[in-house]
Amino acid sequence: EAGVAQSPRYKIIEKRQSVAFWCNPISGHATLYWYQQILGQGPKLLIQFQNNGVVDDSQLPKDRFSAERLKGVDSTLKIQPAKLEDSAVYLCASSLEPGRRPYFGAGTRLSVL
Amino acid sequence: DQQVKQNSPSLSVQEGRISILNCDYTNSMFDYFLWYKKYPAEGPTFLISISSIKDKNEDGRFTVFLNKSAKHLSLHIVPSQPGDSAVYFCAANLRQGAQKLVFGQGTRLTINP
Repeated sequence: EAGVAQSPRYKIIEKRQSVAFWCNPISGHATLYWYQQILGQGPKLLIQFQNNGVVDDSQLPKDRFSAERLKGVDSTLKIQPAKLEDSAVYLCASSLEPGRRPYFGAGTRLSVL
Repeated sequence: DQQVKQNSPSLSVQEGRISILNCDYTNSMFDYFLWYKKYPAEGPTFLISISSIKDKNEDGRFTVFLNKSAKHLSLHIVPSQPGDSAVYFCAANLRQGAQKLVFGQGTRLTINP
């Protein structure tokens, strides 16, 4: 069974630029999550999708972050414009349904200079 | 508001001895707890979980204990092996709403030969 795929693995941008991350969840997983992990901290949930609908985006900085999950499968997370404090690893995860344990991708490490 | 806390950023243990990682939580609505293990440049991988109706769950060398009255859980690894060196995250599932996972800050475990 293929795991959660994420790309790119690494990205370096300058502040005020925009960036996008892509995630392909495990086949059949209805729930998809985007987490932000800042160095030395645990993953923080940014947004949770159930199929192609948003069920929780309470911690998403909506003035600069956006995410979509078209057709209930792949998802993209965008940051525009990026700030220095956005430097982090962005983890995508998926689960069969809410409350079931998520499977994580390898993440995208973002450095904002 | 840090609802899940891992107060030890790091832990060093001799190979063959017991490793004990601790986690405290504040929200009594958490009903399911998980431990994840993370190697550098990889996503977190699931290790072991426990439901709030139990006080112990065992899987090979790994045992998780839950003390609901103290809002405390711990992960025991016996015997510790060099391959166990990683960052360990405690996570708790919130029963209400979107059923999202809340993570602790992580503990870096180093097993010394």
